[in-house]
Amino acid sequence: QSALTQPASVSGSPGQSIAISCTGTSSDVGGYNRVSWYQQHPGKAPKLIIHEVSNRASGVSDRFSGSKSGNTASLTISGLQADDEADYYCSSYTSSITWVFGGGTKVTVL
Amino acid sequence: QVQLLQPGGEAKEPGASVRVSCKTSGFAFTNYGVSWVRQAPGQGLEWVGHISADSRHTYSAQSLQGRLTLTRDTSTSTAYMDLTRLTSDDTAIYYCGRDTGTAAGDYWGQGTLVTVSS
Repeated sequence: QSALTQPASVSGSPGQSIAISCTGTSSDVGGYNRVSWYQQHPGKAPKLIIHEVSNRASGVSDRFSGSKSGNTASLTISGLQADDEADYYCSSYTSSITWVFGGGTKVTVL
Repeated sequence: QVQLLQPGGEAKEPGASVRVSCKTSGFAFTNYGVSWVRQAPGQGLEWVGHISADSRHTYSAQSLQGRLTLTRDTSTSTAYMDLTRLTSDDTAIYYCGRDTGTAAGDYWGQGTLVTVSS
């Protein structure tokens, strides 16, 4: 199972909106609505922020939103804040009854 | 509150085996699967495997098949990951997660650093 494709880095200024893409295939992202997004700060465990494409996890700010079109899912962060600077990973259920992760995107707040 | 507790680290020599534990609390252990992911130094997350809520089904990454065994102990609400024939490529932080079926993990342990070195 190949990793999902994410951009290596995305940056934005405070207050701006950014989007991170996550491209898979019809055997994972395109075939299931079990796409999730994780935020990971340095030295910390991953934190679930979005599940089932667009559902925010408990306690997550509404500045985070998710969507999907075909084989590509996206995470949008609006009103970018300093604490949003972290690595973000997408993940999807697959037809092999496994989970697959993206390579990760480093978000930098300028 | 939901907690998954893991030991801090394990140091092993090449060719050895390692067992990583994941002791859970704060939720009905028998209602959730457990997923494991790992993160090599400076790298991204890699899914390792999954054990179902009833222990009847386990799935592992193709690259680890034959070396990975996942088990769980209902009496102590603890999940275990056993990895054999370790090489330096297995050096990573291993995380356990509460698998909801719609996400590999909605809660995660703090991770166990497994270092493989002679």
